[in-house]
Amino acid sequence: QVQLVESGGGVVQPGRSLRLSCAASGFTFSSYAMHWVRQAPGKGLEWVAVISYDGSNKYYADSVKGRFTISRDNSKNTLYLQMNSLRAEDSAVYYCLTTTGSWGQGTLVTVSS
Amino acid sequence: DIQMTQSPSTLSASVGDRVTITCRASQSIRNWLAWYQQKPGKAPKLLIYEASSLESGVPSRISGSGSGTEFTLTISSLQADDFATYYCQQYNSYPYTFGQGTKLEIK
Repeated sequence: QVQLVESGGGVVQPGRSLRLSCAASGFTFSSYAMHWVRQAPGKGLEWVAVISYDGSNKYYADSVKGRFTISRDNSKNTLYLQMNSLRAEDSAVYYCLTTTGSWGQGTLVTVSS
Repeated sequence: DIQMTQSPSTLSASVGDRVTITCRASQSIRNWLAWYQQKPGKAPKLLIYEASSLESGVPSRISGSGSGTEFTLTISSLQADDFATYYCQQYNSYPYTFGQGTKLEIK
């Protein structure tokens, strides 16, 4: 079955960078677009970014545009989210998900001095 | 951006009740709408896609309807396992957007 495992979260100071990874298995990763969605503590869901199956197209939420970069390595079945210039409001659980609605368990990012 | 508005924000109900949650889009999204259920500390779970298609394994007491700008999620007879937070999401155009959520509580 589909399995998505996020990693790379942690505590980081404002202005610093962090890279999240999402290891995929149980499906043909290279055939599907992939998304990142986040959820701040006690808040609702916010869509962050999407990348097409081959990496040629990417879209971002306005709140992260210019600071975050989504990428993928189909040879490693892995999705990435490079997060630069982090702000306190970026603190959240970050989920990767497929376009067919399968979600990982999430990884927590806390931006704090 | 397309705004998604859910109502109510909180819903109190009892086991066996029939409940309906509404989601309105700020412009037409045709039928490109999904419903998710989320329990505390867990990832969301897909219930409905394309406004009315039931995801595999989801009980048939859960249904979705609507098109254009107005959508509903209905649970015909609430079970204890249904008490959770529900979100709608449009995937008609980027940026994809979620409703603010509806918390379904035990009365």
